[in-house]
Amino acid sequence: AQSVTQLGSHVSVSEGALVLLRCNYSSSVPPYLFWYVQYPNQGLQLLLKYTSAATLVKGINGFEAEFKKSETSFHLTKPSAHMSDAAEYFCAVSFSSGSARQLTFGSGTQLTVLP
Amino acid sequence: DVKVTQSSRYLVKRTGEKVFLECVQDMDHENMFWYRQDPGLGLRLIYFSYDVKMKEKGDIPEGYSVSREKKERFSLILESASTNQTSMYLCASSDLHGRELYSGNTIYFGEGSWLTVV
Repeated sequence: AQSVTQLGSHVSVSEGALVLLRCNYSSSVPPYLFWYVQYPNQGLQLLLKYTSAATLVKGINGFEAEFKKSETSFHLTKPSAHMSDAAEYFCAVSFSSGSARQLTFGSGTQLTVLP
Repeated sequence: DVKVTQSSRYLVKRTGEKVFLECVQDMDHENMFWYRQDPGLGLRLIYFSYDVKMKEKGDIPEGYSVSREKKERFSLILESASTNQTSMYLCASSDLHGRELYSGNTIYFGEGSWLTVV
């Protein structure tokens, strides 16, 4: 069975500081990995996704994530936080087996950006 | 531009009422999904549909049913609402890629429907 663990339900950073949101997955087959962002009172918006091409994936709003198979991780980073980055972030995994039916989400990380 | 529209953003219903949550997508997507989102639990899949009149249970289907009579519309039905169904409900859609529902396809979400059952 596949699963996703997001370490830290709340992360606070200062404006201009590095953002690092952690995601570890378990999957018995090569995964597809996603990061979604949810702004207050809105649905989820795709930030970026890994689909077995380049291991470093660049997304919108200056975010990027690196797929590390040896560490089963897909951490999300941004070099310099902006106030507008304050939101909840979800990591998700699916896999490419023929019986794949689910996109499994992590429990989310709330990012607060301090002035 | 991609659009998934949930008709009701905020609803308050009484215990035992029948509740309909409607979702429409304009992207001609094959797949549509209903999730519920609760604090600390992330998103959990209730039902999904991969074609008109086709549906499959997700992780937490109990207490819910769905209807997909047209490709663009996917409805979530609470036959008899209960207080533990108070939640945020998210509809989503994605295109079919081969026979694998998710694989690397992007899933597009609506803005959510906040349901309170009193």
